[in-house]
Amino acid sequence: EDKVVQSPLSLVVHEGDTVTLNCSYEVTNFRSLLWYKQEKKAPTFLFMLTSSGIEKKSGRLSSILDKKELSSILNITATQTGDSAIYLCAVTGGTSYGKLTFGQGTILTVHP
Amino acid sequence: NAGVTQTPKFRVLKTGQSMTLLCAQDMNHEYMYWYRQDPGMGLRLIHYSVGEGTTAKGEVPDGYNVSRLKKQNFLLGLESAAPSQTSVYFCASRGGGSGSGAEQYFGPGTRLTVT
Repeated sequence: EDKVVQSPLSLVVHEGDTVTLNCSYEVTNFRSLLWYKQEKKAPTFLFMLTSSGIEKKSGRLSSILDKKELSSILNITATQTGDSAIYLCAVTGGTSYGKLTFGQGTILTVHP
Repeated sequence: NAGVTQTPKFRVLKTGQSMTLLCAQDMNHEYMYWYRQDPGMGLRLIHYSVGEGTTAKGEVPDGYNVSRLKKQNFLLGLESAAPSQTSVYFCASRGGGSGSGAEQYFGPGTRLTVT
């Protein structure tokens, strides 16, 4: 059974801080790891990491996949109040028809 | 292009009542999924479909049924609602081949309360 564990479960920081969110996984025939941001409603896609693309960056957000350690980190630099959200990590395996197995999520709160 | 839409947005049911949640996507995606989200548990897959006329069970299928009569629609049914089904339900869709890691696009969610 595929499994994803995120840490920490919650995090409170002040604007300008840098945060690192962690995701570890166990999955049969790993295909990809995805990061989503969830504010009030639907999760919105941030990054997808695969064996051929282990590092992604977009503005203040970046993510790295460590296939040896079966883990990934999501870094957010110079945090803003708008970064407050639940960050979800998910993985998909080779024969799973794209089914995503999600972690519990990390609740990030950024205070002004 | 509306993406993925869900109806209704909110619903309150009494134990034993039935209801159907509708998910529609206009991206011509083959794959569609129903998840539930409970506090501290992330999203858990209920059922999914790999194409029109096909459905399959996910991680937590008990108490739910689904149908995919049209490619753009994926219905989730609760035949006899129970308080344990109080949750936020998300529908998602995805294009791409069966093994690809393409991202899923999510609908806005339906908040269901069963009393």
